[in-house]
Amino acid sequence: DIQMTQSPASLSASLEEIVTITCKASQGIDDYLSWYQQKPGKSPQLLIYDATSLADGVPSRFSGSRSGTQYSLKISRPQVDDSGIYYCLQSYSTPFTFGSGTKLEIK
Amino acid sequence: QVQLKESGPGLVQPSQTLSLTCTVSGFSLTSNSVHWVRQPPGKGLEWVGAIWSGGSTDYNSALKSRLSISRDTSKSQVFLKMNSLQTEDTAIYFCTRSVYYGLPFDYWGQGVMVTVSS
Repeated sequence: DIQMTQSPASLSASLEEIVTITCKASQGIDDYLSWYQQKPGKSPQLLIYDATSLADGVPSRFSGSRSGTQYSLKISRPQVDDSGIYYCLQSYSTPFTFGSGTKLEIK
Repeated sequence: QVQLKESGPGLVQPSQTLSLTCTVSGFSLTSNSVHWVRQPPGKGLEWVGAIWSGGSTDYNSALKSRLSISRDTSKSQVFLKMNSLQTEDTAIYFCTRSVYYGLPFDYWGQGVMVTVSS
């Protein structure tokens, strides 16, 4: 199974900062990597797919990138509403695997 | 519009079998895949398994021996059956759609809470 190592587990950021969350895959996944945001009591929502493509309706302050087998989600000038838990998912090969999640608080 | 809705019993006894249904609308099961994802209380997301547009299935390695996913295309329903339930199977179970292998989960159901307890 492909392992997705996500970090950090939690972080707190201000409105002026740039937030970066990373997921490192245990092997190459050919950019079959998506990012999801989950708020308390809600279903996850798709933010980024194919590592760098923005899902419909997602603000442009969200972006994705890759360096080797490490994938990153960046939030530029986050809003308070961006608080939540973020997960990566590899859909390169089954069994698909999620990262462990990052709890983000925007102050 | 695309919608998915999970249904099933909220409480299951240990060692019994869980049966969940995902009823979909706004898309065809013969041209999209449906996945099950679960989330234990206060914990992260875990991919459970999938049924692909052609009807084949894939399962989480750790759950494979206890799990079965099937569908009824005429009713636009996908079924999850998991036997020998333990307390560790207590979770919210979501169904979600992916248009094709490798593509992301673009629509999710609201989830159904399943508690395994006597």
